[in-house]
Amino acid sequence: AQSVSQHNHHVILSEAASLELGCNYSYGGTVNLFWYVQYPGQHLQLLLKYFSGDPLVKGIKGFEAEFIKSKFSFNLRKPSVQWSDTAEYFCAVNPKAAGNKLTFGGGTRVLVKP
Amino acid sequence: NAGVTQTPKFQVLKTGQSMTLQCAQDMNHEYMSWYRQDPGMGLRLIHYSVGAGITDQGEVPNGYNVSRSTTEDFPLRLLSAAPSQTSVYFCASNRDRVGPGGGYTFGSGTRLTVV
Repeated sequence: AQSVSQHNHHVILSEAASLELGCNYSYGGTVNLFWYVQYPGQHLQLLLKYFSGDPLVKGIKGFEAEFIKSKFSFNLRKPSVQWSDTAEYFCAVNPKAAGNKLTFGGGTRVLVKP
Repeated sequence: NAGVTQTPKFQVLKTGQSMTLQCAQDMNHEYMSWYRQDPGMGLRLIHYSVGAGITDQGEVPNGYNVSRSTTEDFPLRLLSAAPSQTSVYFCASNRDRVGPGGGYTFGSGTRLTVV
């Protein structure tokens, strides 16, 4: 069965530090890729998505992600984090053959210290 | 435009009780789904629907039923609550029947505790 792995469960950073969160998936076919963010006490919101084209995708709030097909990875980055980036981040994969279904990774909790 | 509305926000049940979690969307979205969120496990798909009258099972369907009599509503029923069903439940919708399009729209969640 396909799976989505987020290797870091918890990350603690200071403000202005750079952030990189890893995401790997096991599905071998064509996929759509997503990063969602969940701020404390809130629902999930879409940060960015990749369907095709340029493998470097820019999203909201200064986030970007790079799709590396050969590594089955879709890592999320932000050059300089703020305290307001404290949240849980989820990678999600939609195999194009699977219709609308998304498979989520286990999430990474990010704490940014002021 | 309310998006996806879930009720209730919080619920405590006793083992063996039944209840229905409500989900409604006002965006005329074809696709609706229910996920449960547990620590360290991300979100797991319970049931989904690609349109009124059509439902299907996801990854963890046991103990849950759904129906989709209208485009707007997609209730999730717990038949006989168990402590293992303690979780946060999210309803999500998407405008497209067969692909994630612009991504899902999530409700604000229902935190369920079964004692």
